[in-house]
Amino acid sequence: EVQLVESGGGLVQPGGSLRLSCAASGFTFSSYEMNWVRQAPGKGLEWVSYISSSGSTIYYADSVKGRFTISRDNAKNSLYLQMNSLRAEDTAVYYCARDSRYDSPFDVWGQGTTVTVSS
Amino acid sequence: SYVLTQPPSVSVAPGQTARITCGGNNIGSKSVHWYQQKPGQAPVLVVYDDSDRPSGIPERFSGSNSGNTATLTISRVEAGDEADYYCQVWDSSSDPLVFGGGTKLTVL
Repeated sequence: EVQLVESGGGLVQPGGSLRLSCAASGFTFSSYEMNWVRQAPGKGLEWVSYISSSGSTIYYADSVKGRFTISRDNAKNSLYLQMNSLRAEDTAVYYCARDSRYDSPFDVWGQGTTVTVSS
Repeated sequence: SYVLTQPPSVSVAPGQTARITCGGNNIGSKSVHWYQQKPGQAPVLVVYDDSDRPSGIPERFSGSNSGNTATLTISRVEAGDEADYYCQVWDSSSDPLVFGGGTKLTVL
């Protein structure tokens, strides 16, 4: 079964850091591009970051640029999101999602992990 | 950055046809993807590349894209179709991937 499972969410104080993980199974992880998408409480979907299959190309949304770092370990079938300098507005459910090429849809999503930034 | 505009809500009676629009500058030149999200669940792809359906998605779901508007059409709407729907495109400008603000479909 094709599956993505996120972990690492939790409660963190403003200015703090958190590292999210996404474990992939059931498909050849190294052949797919990966993304992080978040959803603040009661709000819509917001794309956060993209990483190519090899890890050589990375993009970030302006809202997280300079604070978040996406990475992957193809040997471990895992995707990561290092989040630093967290703000209250980063509070959201974070999903990992795969796509196969530029312009392609997100055909598999994880169940999400919740990040709450609050003092 | 590229902006996608969706109506906040659409209401339709069971058995009728729902049309959810997604507006963007020359969106007809882009590939549009549509997701359905039910409360507490992850999004699910329902239409991709403007009008194609993933396996397992009913034929009642269809899409079109031309000019400045893409449309998701749900025929013979059922109570189970009640959900939030999001359009999405890739864009070569600032943020390379954009979602619309979402449309809440209510089945009366």
